[in-house]
Amino acid sequence: GAVVSQHPSWVICKSGTSVKIECRSLDFQATTMFWYRQFPKQSLMLMATSNEGSKATYEQGVEKDKFLINHASLTLSTLTVTSAHPEDSSFYICSARSGVGQPQHFGDGTRLSIL
Amino acid sequence: DQQVKQNSPSLSVQEGRISILNCDYTNSMFDYFLWYKKYPAEGPTFLISISSIKDKNEDGRFTVFLNKSAKHLSLHIVPSQPGDSAVYFCAARQGAQKLVFGQGTRLTINP
Repeated sequence: GAVVSQHPSWVICKSGTSVKIECRSLDFQATTMFWYRQFPKQSLMLMATSNEGSKATYEQGVEKDKFLINHASLTLSTLTVTSAHPEDSSFYICSARSGVGQPQHFGDGTRLSIL
Repeated sequence: DQQVKQNSPSLSVQEGRISILNCDYTNSMFDYFLWYKKYPAEGPTFLISISSIKDKNEDGRFTVFLNKSAKHLSLHIVPSQPGDSAVYFCAARQGAQKLVFGQGTRLTINP
């Protein structure tokens, strides 16, 4: 149980392109979803927290106009990297939990490469 | 400010032996702790968790110990298997707040 699906797993695109990443909870309703970024050999860095039906809460230093998050339903959240540039290249991972006292379950991540 | 620290970036253990992964934290308000396992190019997989009201939680080969006075938790894997080779992250949380992750420890199980 507790499966989180993330799509696509790998994206290569040109600078200036906008990229959308989807995160779905397949067998549970996710009241809260999280978006992380991981640089090589570093820990997970939380970018934003989103609750279904409300605006995402962004961590300090994360540009909300750059990283658009939509959590339209209890099973789907999307992260759109707008006008992506090479410095946005990274491994993006989403996670979801069904309630406050529950563990977060992670998707398999999306490797984004901007040329 | 690194609130959750995994001071060993790597650990090698012989197959069949016990693997002990350590994690220290500084925030005494953390009340929920988790361990995740991560393979390259994949998202972390939840392994085991422990509430601050307990000092031990066991699930099969995995046991997590919590020492609140020392602000220290550890993950024991017995017996260690080759498939356990991965990066292990500890994480902590205060109430409904965000998870704070350690830097990870790369565990290698040698045959």
